Amino acid sequence: DAKTTQPTSMDCAEGRAANLPCNHSTISGNEYVYWYRQIHSQGPQYIIHGLKNNETNEMASLIITEDRKSSTLILPHATLRDTAVYYCIVRTANTGNQFYFGTGTSLTVIP
Amino acid sequence: NAGVMQNPRHLVRRRGQEARLRCSPMKGHSHVYWYRQLPEEGLKFMVYLQKENIIDESGMPKERFSAEFPKEGPSILRIQQVVRGDSAAYFCASSLQGPTGELFFGEGSRLTVL
Repeated sequence: DAKTTQPTSMDCAEGRAANLPCNHSTISGNEYVYWYRQIHSQGPQYIIHGLKNNETNEMASLIITEDRKSSTLILPHATLRDTAVYYCIVRTANTGNQFYFGTGTSLTVIP
Repeated sequence: NAGVMQNPRHLVRRRGQEARLRCSPMKGHSHVYWYRQLPEEGLKFMVYLQKENIIDESGMPKERFSAEFPKEGPSILRIQQVVRGDSAAYFCASSLQGPTGELFFGEGSRLTVL
């Protein structure tokens, strides 16, 4: 079962930063935070993951609080193509452990 | 470098027929996962396989559903005697062996049961 809590939906103006929060208050020390997104019924797309340090790649930044009980995915300059459902997942660093997707946050980027 | 390939992309079956969904993982990936997404719902884990082995099938319905990942060829999700409630998108994902093992998903197979 999903161990995360996310807002059901959010809006963001095009060109602005989109900040998507995620609570994972029961996260354990060996669990990573992963973010995926699903654009209009396509296959989910990996965005980023992290353990305790903040992470950045070409798609997004991941900010994890010091106590690791919450995190924020930041899309620095949202475009209309970023409209999607964003899933925050916690999972141990073990290939055998499954990704359990919750209901995610439906992000709508507004022109 | 081809991604995860699923076929068919769309499949229509009548109640009682069998559905077979195929998934070819990314090159070099030996771990395959199947997820189901009912209309307007999130993805639900079904089964995790490595080559020739089912590792975790805790999300699979007990009856009518089976999955395999043979030594040669794609992974197959088989649904026998389909019912209308089986209508859904079925997504396959693969991963490399490794400590973080992020998943790479295919575009899904959409099953419609008439």
